[in-house]
Amino acid sequence: NAGVMQNPRHLVRRRGQEARLRCSPMKGHSHVYWYRQLPEEGLKFMVYLQKENIIDESGMPKERFSAEFPKEGPSILRIQQVVRGDSAAYFCASSAGPGNTEAFFGQGTRLTVV
Amino acid sequence: KQEVTQIPAALSVPEGENLVLNCSFTDSAIYNLQWFRQDPGKGLTSLLLIQSSQREQTSGRLNASLDKSSGRSTLYIAASQPGDSATYLCAVNPGAGSYQLTFGKGTKLSVIP
Repeated sequence: NAGVMQNPRHLVRRRGQEARLRCSPMKGHSHVYWYRQLPEEGLKFMVYLQKENIIDESGMPKERFSAEFPKEGPSILRIQQVVRGDSAAYFCASSAGPGNTEAFFGQGTRLTVV
Repeated sequence: KQEVTQIPAALSVPEGENLVLNCSFTDSAIYNLQWFRQDPGKGLTSLLLIQSSQREQTSGRLNASLDKSSGRSTLYIAASQPGDSATYLCAVNPGAGSYQLTFGKGTKLSVIP
């Protein structure tokens, strides 16, 4: 039973390019969460999705960031026109249910904007 | 707004010592609290989950306690080993029906052989 799978593990983008980060939840999990870890900072919630629905995107920057979790395939976090401040580790977590169920995290994608 | 603080930020101990990591949170109305381990450049590994109705959880050499009323949790590691070296993160789930974990910045543990 594979855990939460994220790819790529490392991503380098030039300023102005687009970054696409993928997350496949654990088998049987339909709740996905994205967190961002900036250097020397704690993990911060970005967005919570269920299949085909965005439940809460209150932690997402207002511009350039979007997320989806289609009926088929992985969840995607998309960052358009990346800037140096987007450099961070992006973690995906999944759970079998919301709130009171345990969240399992992936290995993360480390984005570097040059 | 929930805030989670972990003290100390870094800790270095000789192998074999028992140690305690501390986590405090400002809003005691939590649903559960989770301790994670993060290795350099790696993801988060869940260590222990304590529901708000529980006072402690144990797994092997790890024991986590929760005092919800005082807004505190501790992670006790017995007989530390070099392989325990990592950053330990505490995260609280704010309440029933919620799903946003609020994390502390972590305690970086080094166990010296």
